[in-house]
Amino acid sequence: KAGVTQTPRYLIKTRGQQVTLSCSPISGHRSVSWYQQTPGQGLQFLFEYFSETQRNKGNFPGRFSGRQFSNSRSEMNVSTLELGDSALYLCASSPGQLTYNEQFFGPGTRLTVL
Amino acid sequence: DQQVKQNSPSLSVQEGRISILNCDYTNSMFDYFLWYKKYPAEGPTFLISISSIKDKNEDGRFTVFLNKSAKHLSLHIVPSQPGDSAVYFCAATLDYKLSFGAGTTVTVRA
Repeated sequence: KAGVTQTPRYLIKTRGQQVTLSCSPISGHRSVSWYQQTPGQGLQFLFEYFSETQRNKGNFPGRFSGRQFSNSRSEMNVSTLELGDSALYLCASSPGQLTYNEQFFGPGTRLTVL
Repeated sequence: DQQVKQNSPSLSVQEGRISILNCDYTNSMFDYFLWYKKYPAEGPTFLISISSIKDKNEDGRFTVFLNKSAKHLSLHIVPSQPGDSAVYFCAATLDYKLSFGAGTTVTVRA
């Protein structure tokens, strides 16, 4: 079974630009969660989608948004990029209602904002 | 607001010895606690968890201890092996939101 895939793996943008990251969950998984990892803050929860609906949202500004498609693939968008948005963005999928021992993470997208 | 804290950014341990990773939290409403392991260039993988109603959970070489009165969680790895060298994150859940610590890098020396 293929794992969670994220594209692109690396991205360089400049301040003020916007970016879209993509996540393809494990086949059959319907829940997708997004996390931001920075050196000082560790992993921080962004949002979770299930059946195309956002079920949960972390404490991030409205510049961070996401969506999920009918095939469970998910995209995350960050508008008006700031230097502090430089981070590793991880997505994770799970079969249904979020169960942590069945949650699998992708390798992440490394975003650098210059 | 960091609700889950791992105050030791790194830990070095000799192969065969015990590794003890610590984690403190501030929110007494957390209902589930987890540990994840992360290798470079890979996403975290689930390691072990414990419900807030328990004080110990064991899985092979890994044991997690929960002290609710102290709001403290620890992971014991016995014996430590070279493949255990990784970053370990503790996490806690509330209403299906995961809050992570900043991670502890474990290096197992031969």
